[in-house]
Amino acid sequence: SQKIEQNSEALNIQEGKTATLTCNYTNYSPAYLQWYRQDPGRGPVFLLLIRENEKEKRKERLKVTFDTTLKQSLFHITASQPADSATYLCAYTGGGNKLTFGTGTQLKVEL
Amino acid sequence: EAGVAQSPRYKIIEKRQSVAFWCNPISGHATLYWYQQILGQGPKLLIQFQNNGVVDDSQLPKDRFSAERLKGVDSTLKIQPAKLEDSAVYLCASSFNGDSGSPLHFGNGTRLTVT
Repeated sequence: SQKIEQNSEALNIQEGKTATLTCNYTNYSPAYLQWYRQDPGRGPVFLLLIRENEKEKRKERLKVTFDTTLKQSLFHITASQPADSATYLCAYTGGGNKLTFGTGTQLKVEL
Repeated sequence: EAGVAQSPRYKIIEKRQSVAFWCNPISGHATLYWYQQILGQGPKLLIQFQNNGVVDDSQLPKDRFSAERLKGVDSTLKIQPAKLEDSAVYLCASSFNGDSGSPLHFGNGTRLTVT
């Protein structure tokens, strides 16, 4: 069955650097991948969606790539700020339009 | 636009007791979801409604969990009887039409502790 995997180890980076988070899937290429941000005690907030036939999507300081050969999506935050510290979740749309989430990667941006 | 509203924010109960959570989705959103998020994990879909019909409840433990969405708007999720392993955050989300590309809008969840 399809699995979606994110690095469970927290990512610590310095302010101003580019943060890169990874999302891997195991079997078929999902039609869509979505990325969400979750702050402690809050629900996830939608950030970006990328379709299978798109290589890259950008929104302000955020960029998402989708590599169907590597079965991987990368999420980049350029010029990172302490306010970007949060857990980032990727999710794929499977059968029946069901959205399945990965476990999330915690990002901490330090001064 | 007003976001997804959930109540209560926190609930503490003893095992074998019952509990109910309430969700009011964004106005006009046809699709409503209940997710369970255990600490350190990603949200897991429990049930998905399209208007007032169930689309997917394959991961809902139906011997103890039930959910309804009367009139295709508000929804309640009930657990009876609760077990220790039900301790989690219960997230409600809605989307405009449930299409594959529709982003989900989440509420802030109800944190349930079962003792």
